Amino acid sequence: QKEVEQDPGPLSVPEGAIVSLNCTYSNSAFQYFMWYRQYSRKGPELLMYTYSSGNKEDGRFTAQVDKSSKYISLFIRDSQPSDSATYLCATHTGTASKLTFGTGTRLQVTL
Amino acid sequence: EAGVTQSPTHLIKTRGQQATLRCSPISGHTSVYWYQQALGLGLQFLLWYDEGEERNRGNFPPRFSGRQFPNYSSELNVNALELEDSALYLCASSLGSAKAEAFFGQGTRLTVV
Repeated sequence: QKEVEQDPGPLSVPEGAIVSLNCTYSNSAFQYFMWYRQYSRKGPELLMYTYSSGNKEDGRFTAQVDKSSKYISLFIRDSQPSDSATYLCATHTGTASKLTFGTGTRLQVTL
Repeated sequence: EAGVTQSPTHLIKTRGQQATLRCSPISGHTSVYWYQQALGLGLQFLLWYDEGEERNRGNFPPRFSGRQFPNYSSELNVNALELEDSALYLCASSLGSAKAEAFFGQGTRLTVV
C-alpha cells in the first residue's frame, strides 16, 4: 500500500465548476500537508501548505485536512481553463524529512 | 528573487554513460531534495542534502549519488545509465527547518537512448 493515495483522474469539469481533489494517507506521523500544481513539462508549483487538521483558504483555493480520517482535500472555486494541470498532494512528518507525494490528479477545465 | 534553478534543461545520454545534473537553491535555503518523475509515475524521492551532508536517501541503487557544495548548490550523478532512468529529475530547496515549504525547479529531462 502506498503511503499517499491519490486518484489519477483525469478529471474533466466545465469552466466555473467547483473542483474537489482528494488524497488519503496511511502514516499518522504526517503533520504537514501540501498541494502542488504541475503544468506539463514544468516543475511543481506550491499552492497550499497546511499544518494538522483544519481549513486554509487562499483566493479560489481551499485546502482541508482531516487527520482523524487521514484525508486531505483541495477545492478550487470558479475553475478556469488555466487551472488545467496535474495536482499533487504531498506530506511530511515535520522533521525536515522527505516529502511523500501522491501520484497526482490530472484536471482538465473545459470552456 | 530567483527561484530554484536546474541545469541543463534537457540531457540526452547513451546507455552506460554517466549524467550530471545541477541545482542551485533559492538564496538562503540550506536543504536540497532530488526527485525522479518517470512517465506515468509520481515523484519518487532520491536524495536529501542539508548543510553539506546527505540526510536521507530513497530506494534507488548506489549508482544514483550526489553532493552538496559549501554554497548549498547540489549535483546529482547517475552512473551506468539505463533506459529506465529516462525521466524528469526535479530539485527542490527549503530553509531546512521542520516546518519549511519546499520549492521546486523546472527540472532536467534526462533521456537515455
